[in-house]
Amino acid sequence: QTVVTQEPSLTVSPGGTVTLTCASSTGAVTSGYYPNWFQQKPGQAPRALIYSTSNKHSWTPARFSGSLLGGKAALTLSGVQPEDEAEYYCLLYYGGAQHVVFGGGTKLTVL
Amino acid sequence: QLQLQESGPGLVKPSETLSLTCTVSGGSISSSTYYWGWIRQPPGKGLEWIGSIYYSGSTYYNPSLKSRVTISVDTSKNQFSLKLSSVTAADTAVYYCARRTSYYSSGWYHLFDYWGQGTLVTVSS
Repeated sequence: QTVVTQEPSLTVSPGGTVTLTCASSTGAVTSGYYPNWFQQKPGQAPRALIYSTSNKHSWTPARFSGSLLGGKAALTLSGVQPEDEAEYYCLLYYGGAQHVVFGGGTKLTVL
Repeated sequence: QLQLQESGPGLVKPSETLSLTCTVSGGSISSSTYYWGWIRQPPGKGLEWIGSIYYSGSTYYNPSLKSRVTISVDTSKNQFSLKLSSVTAADTAVYYCARRTSYYSSGWYHLFDYWGQGTLVTVSS
């Protein structure tokens, strides 16, 4: 069974920069896994932020960016705002992009 | 603006079948660009992909749930549905429906872009 691993929790100061990562139990994450990133706040549905590694949705704030870093997918928040405090999930595509697996989520605290 | 809305019973008895429907408005479910998926989230836990369906009826399921899951599409009603059989308390979760967009433009792009608000289904006698 494929497992996608994220940091359980991270803390960042307002205005700071933080990088969240997403690893696959199958090996290095490449663009062929089409990494997606989502933000979820309590009581809300997930909101899509990044797709296919680094592409932003029309509603994604400019301070969010996606990349590949050291064999993992990465989400970087630059100039963190208090409203960025949330749970962040990555998603990877497998098997010719027909199956997907979510990471366990990273709880980001802005403090 | 595309909207997805889940509907179905909020309480299901153990060993019975959970049935949910997702109604799509503001766009057609019959497009070669889209898959339609179900994702769930147990209380206080992370997201789990259940499965997806293409408008043609092709289905793709999470291997861990495959034996109990059926996803179907009704293009005439612009809806797709989820059935999960033999439920237990472990199936208690918020169930989301979502649209997955896949397209080719100098490379493939895959994204889950629109989500429903989610519906809580509790499995209890």
